[in-house]
Amino acid sequence: AQSVTQLGSHVSVSEGALVLLRCNYSSSVPPYLFWYVQYPNQGLQLLLKYTTGATLVKGINGFEAEFKKSETSFHLTKPSAHMSDAAEYFCAVSDYQAGTALIFGKGTTLSVSS
Amino acid sequence: KAGVTQTPRYLIKTRGQQVTLSCSPISGHRSVSWYQQTPGQGLQFLFEYFSETQRNKGNFPGRFSGRQFSNSRSEMNVSTLELGDSALYLCASSLLAAGGTDTQYFGPGTRLTVL
Repeated sequence: AQSVTQLGSHVSVSEGALVLLRCNYSSSVPPYLFWYVQYPNQGLQLLLKYTTGATLVKGINGFEAEFKKSETSFHLTKPSAHMSDAAEYFCAVSDYQAGTALIFGKGTTLSVSS
Repeated sequence: KAGVTQTPRYLIKTRGQQVTLSCSPISGHRSVSWYQQTPGQGLQFLFEYFSETQRNKGNFPGRFSGRQFSNSRSEMNVSTLELGDSALYLCASSLLAAGGTDTQYFGPGTRLTVL
């Protein structure tokens, strides 16, 4: 079965600093990987996804992620944090073998200080 | 294009009652998936409906059920509510059946509180 591990339940950065949110997956087949963001009292919004092809994926709001098969990782980065980036971020894998939609990590709360 | 809508946004029930939550997917989307979000367990898959048929079900008791109508709108029902059912229930829709590359679009959720 596929699974996702997000390292660090809480990450704090200063405004303008690099954002790095870590995600490792477990899968016996090439995975489909997703990053979602959730703002307070809202649903989830897709930031980016990796299916096939280019391993560096660019998403919305300046975020990007790199699929590294050898490290089974899909870390999310943003060069310069903004106050509006403060939210909870979820990494997810699509279990297309079982067809059971998304399997999520536990989430990482990003705090941005001025 | 309108996004995924969920009603109601907030609900308060007491133990033993039952509740029905509604989800209207993005126009043209045929798949609706439901997730439960709690602080302790995170986001967990409940079930998915595609063209009015339940394709898959997560590891939840039979008290949790759902259905999908011909217009793709979906409802989920929880019977005999327990305190542990307090959660944010999220609905997501996608054009194709879940489990592939297709993006799932989430609604704002229904916050259920069981007293």
